[in-house]
Amino acid sequence: GENVEQHPSTLSVQEGDSAVIKCTYSDSASNYFPWYKQELGKGPQLIIDIRSNVGEKKDQRIAVTLNKTAKHFSLHITETQPEDSAVYFCAASALYGNNRLAFGKGNQVVVIP
Amino acid sequence: DAMVIQNPRYQVTQFGKPVTLSCSQTLNHNVMYWYQQKSSQAPKLLFHYYDKDFNNEADTPDNFQSRRPNTSFCFLDIRSPGLGDAAMYLCATSSSNGHNEQFFGPGTRLTVL
Repeated sequence: GENVEQHPSTLSVQEGDSAVIKCTYSDSASNYFPWYKQELGKGPQLIIDIRSNVGEKKDQRIAVTLNKTAKHFSLHITETQPEDSAVYFCAASALYGNNRLAFGKGNQVVVIP
Repeated sequence: DAMVIQNPRYQVTQFGKPVTLSCSQTLNHNVMYWYQQKSSQAPKLLFHYYDKDFNNEADTPDNFQSRRPNTSFCFLDIRSPGLGDAAMYLCATSSSNGHNEQFFGPGTRLTVL
């Protein structure tokens, strides 16, 4: 099955700086890559996703890039703010049927004011 | 707003006492999922319903059961909770004939005494 690796496990950044989280996946059949943000005591919230037919997608301060050849994708957060502090999970799946997600282990992002 | 609702948000039960967690959705999604999430870990898929078809993960203990009486509701039954079952339980939904994004509810925090 799909195996998703996520690095680093913890990331501290100064407010206003950029944060980058990287994930790799193993199954070349995967074609859908969502990113979830989870705040303490809450459910994961989908913040951005990318499909394999594009290499980059941007939504305001958040962007995701995908390299299908290398099987890795990254989340970029620019101009970080304290409210960006959370755990971020990447995931991968094949976009058909039940859309069974394989999650990375998560990354704790701490934005220092 | 269309959403995924979980009740209760916090549940305390005694060792061995059956407990039921509920999930409802107003998204009219045909796929519903139950995840278990322990502290500092990624969500772990327990099972999912694709329409009325139940799909169990191979490593989900028999202690966990699920019911989906209609499109909107799904229940997680834990027949004999053990201390190791204390966790956050997350419900999610997706549509197999749409963009297939998974949307999570806020979760139910289960404590086993």
